[in-house]
Amino acid sequence: AQSVAQPEDQVNVAEGNPLTVKCTYSVSGNPYLFWYVQYPNRGLQFLLKYITGDNLVKGSYGFEAEFNKSQTSFHLKKPSALVSDSALYFCAVRDDGGSYIPTFGRGTSLIVHP
Amino acid sequence: EAQVTQNPRYLITVTGKKLTVTCSQNMNHEYMSWYRQDPGLGLRQIYYSMNVEVTDKGDVPEGYKVSRKEKRNFPLILESPSPNQTSLYFCASSPGPYNSPLHFGNGTRLTVT
Repeated sequence: AQSVAQPEDQVNVAEGNPLTVKCTYSVSGNPYLFWYVQYPNRGLQFLLKYITGDNLVKGSYGFEAEFNKSQTSFHLKKPSALVSDSALYFCAVRDDGGSYIPTFGRGTSLIVHP
Repeated sequence: EAQVTQNPRYLITVTGKKLTVTCSQNMNHEYMSWYRQDPGLGLRQIYYSMNVEVTDKGDVPEGYKVSRKEKRNFPLILESPSPNQTSLYFCASSPGPYNSPLHFGNGTRLTVT
């Protein structure tokens, strides 16, 4: 079975400060991990993924995520937040030995204050 | 432009009146799927399709039907909608189901009264 948790419903950060959006997962095999962003009245957009290789993954719009196998985490980070980063962020996981169905987290609302 | 197109964007209907939400992709993707998004629950998969004429249930298939007669189209059918199907629906596609990211449509907000 696979599962993913986003422990924070909302994250608030000031513009220019670093941001972190947390994600932890549980799989039986090896994880395929994804981050998506959703702006108001839009579908989800892909940000980055971890399949294998380097634990630090770089993605779109200056975002990056660090895969930590021992802590089963895949936190999303950005060194300097922008007001335009305010959106809903989803973490998703697939177990490489499991079903075709990815499991999405409940989402974290990121609010960047000017 | 590569995209997934859903129609309509907004739909208000009454209980029991059959409806279809269309989804089309122009990227020649083999894998397509439908999700519903509800507050506090994230996204849950309704149905998915690995290729033409190949469909399978997701996590919440009850009350929904799909078909995949052509590679580019994957309509979602509600034969007898009920108020608990009021939700925001997304169609998504990808080259494959394993480690490829999903491309999402802009969503269909359905209200069933």
